[in-house]
Amino acid sequence: GAGVSQSPSNKVTEKGKDVELRCDPISGHTALYWYRQSLGQGLEFLIYFQGNSAPDKSGLPSDRFSAERTGGSVSTLTIQRTQQEDSAVYLCASSGGGHEETQYFGPGTRLLVL
Amino acid sequence: DAKTTQPTSMDCAEGRAANLPCNHSTISGNEYVYWYRQIHSQGPQYIIHGLKNNETNEMASLIITEDRKSSTLILPHATLRDTAVYYCIVKRPAGNKLTFGGGTRVLVKP
Repeated sequence: GAGVSQSPSNKVTEKGKDVELRCDPISGHTALYWYRQSLGQGLEFLIYFQGNSAPDKSGLPSDRFSAERTGGSVSTLTIQRTQQEDSAVYLCASSGGGHEETQYFGPGTRLLVL
Repeated sequence: DAKTTQPTSMDCAEGRAANLPCNHSTISGNEYVYWYRQIHSQGPQYIIHGLKNNETNEMASLIITEDRKSSTLILPHATLRDTAVYYCIVKRPAGNKLTFGGGTRVLVKP
């Protein structure tokens, strides 16, 4: 079946502009995660959605970052007033819930802020 | 979630088995051992996971010691496409983020 998809695959923007990144999870998956990976670094957790529960926003680095998940499916990560340090690969993962909750990742969106 | 320790890098000959060790001495009873890999410029790929028993799937085998303080991921016949960074992660079930450490950079050589 279809995996996690993300769009755009690449995004170049100017400092100060807003960007929106999209994630389409695996159909039927109730949990959705956003991570980011800066060049040569490990993955950094950003935010987690589980069903109708309040999201876990503990990893968002600043109030310029926000995310929403509409209808329990598609999610959008928004970065306002982008800065050069926001340049990274933004990865989305989804899981089906249940006891073991294996997370499956999308290909990521490569964001470059000039 | 428990911390893991992995070798920074290792080489493997094509066609041979690759054995990737991971130490997780502070693992708790309900924490699973997960393995992912990340091939250059791609998202992390799930490989296998286990709790107590050894596990095998089409990609790899996972051997967990009886005391659960360490594990080994086995790629039975490494190919050049298996060159990647391999991450061993210990995670509680349900609703927790994955914490990726430095992983092991595996280079499969012809």
